[in-house]
Amino acid sequence: GAVVSQHPSWVICKSGTSVKIECRSLDFQATTMFWYRQFPKQSLMLMATSNEGSKATYEQGVEKDKFLINHASLTLSTLTVTSAHPEDSSFYICSAQGYGYTFGSGTRLTVV
Amino acid sequence: ILNVEQSPQSLHVQEGDSTNFTCSFPSSNFYALHWYRWETAKSPEALFVMTLNGDEKKKGRISATLNTKEGYSYLYIKGSQPEDSATYLCARTDPYNQGGKLIFGQGTELSVKP
Repeated sequence: GAVVSQHPSWVICKSGTSVKIECRSLDFQATTMFWYRQFPKQSLMLMATSNEGSKATYEQGVEKDKFLINHASLTLSTLTVTSAHPEDSSFYICSAQGYGYTFGSGTRLTVV
Repeated sequence: ILNVEQSPQSLHVQEGDSTNFTCSFPSSNFYALHWYRWETAKSPEALFVMTLNGDEKKKGRISATLNTKEGYSYLYIKGSQPEDSATYLCARTDPYNQGGKLIFGQGTELSVKP
């Protein structure tokens, strides 16, 4: 079946540094990638939608300059959290649209 | 805001018990309802996609029903097993972006004790 590989699964970084999260579709081409974020006790919330070769569309309230999304190929999308702060600590997960929606396994980001 | 609500938030049952959870959503402009099973440290696994009022779907011991007129879906697990322990998510396809984003509930965390 369709698989999306997401790395890293967890990361701890210092405040002010940047962190890159990768999602790769291993056996299909993902024309669209969705990036979600989940805070404790809350639901998965969409941050942005990216289509291969074009600029990402960000949800209201999500800073595009802080959460940089690149979808340069049909099998790779990246989310970079720039100048991370403790309030960015969260669970980030991608979902590729190819055969329905296929999710990665998520990344737990802790900013100290 | 197109809220999706799930209840209960968590559930603890004994092996062999049957259980069910609820997903509620606004009934207007309905497009599709998705159920996912999410084990810790793994990817959410798609269980069902339901679109028609009255839909019933089954996958092994798990089944789901859909009522789009009143805005709810039930997920049933018959004879729960420890391996059924997971968080069950429902999500509604955004009616204004029908090929796109999902709006999720908070999930129901199921724990099945042997």
